[in-house]
Amino acid sequence: EAQVTQNPRYLITVTGKKLTVTCSQNMNHEYMSWYRQDPGLGLRQIYYSMNVEVTDKGDVPEGYKVSRKEKRNFPLILESPSPNQTSLYFCASSYLYHPYGYTFGSGTRLTVV
Amino acid sequence: KQEVTQIPAALSVPEGENLVLNCSFTDSAIYNLQWFRQDPGKGLTSLLLIQSSQREQTSGRLNASLDKSSGRSTLYIAASQPGDSATYLCAVRDDRGSTLGRLYFGRGTQLTVWP
Repeated sequence: EAQVTQNPRYLITVTGKKLTVTCSQNMNHEYMSWYRQDPGLGLRQIYYSMNVEVTDKGDVPEGYKVSRKEKRNFPLILESPSPNQTSLYFCASSYLYHPYGYTFGSGTRLTVV
Repeated sequence: KQEVTQIPAALSVPEGENLVLNCSFTDSAIYNLQWFRQDPGKGLTSLLLIQSSQREQTSGRLNASLDKSSGRSTLYIAASQPGDSATYLCAVRDDRGSTLGRLYFGRGTQLTVWP
């Protein structure tokens, strides 16, 4: 089944403890992206990648890192999480040049205390 | 920068009504437009995808139209049901070289269909 898999689905952590949210897709998509969703603010892009080793900042990149060493994986790294990073996170992927839409992961609900 | 607006922000209707959700965008240089459904605290489910060259797409009781030149799309839901209650999100995909592939979201329309 074609899908985007995020892990974990739920995570509670403490301020300053480094964490990684994994994202993997099995559709050979070039484009991958991370979003956060907050009440009243909608979905905001954190980082995106147009292919292996090509990443760029979205609208709210502060406090986050990403890497794209393989086409299928696009982990989101929070080096020193803070409470304002408590949010619902989504990973998404798509072809760059084919007329298909985006596929989203099921989301990761992160709470930083 | 692309701005996507959805109206209304919330809608409450009785079961059986036909309804229209609106989406507008500021830059007509789009690759495609996608409508999603999101249940509370859940992920995004793709409902319909309209390419920039298309005028509409249909899936069951859903019909989405696109008027690229005027920067508008509508999602029509026929014979609404309580199970349609969710937030509906409109997203446009950029078609410019520097931001190719980027998806811009509206804030969504929260739909409640009561029995």
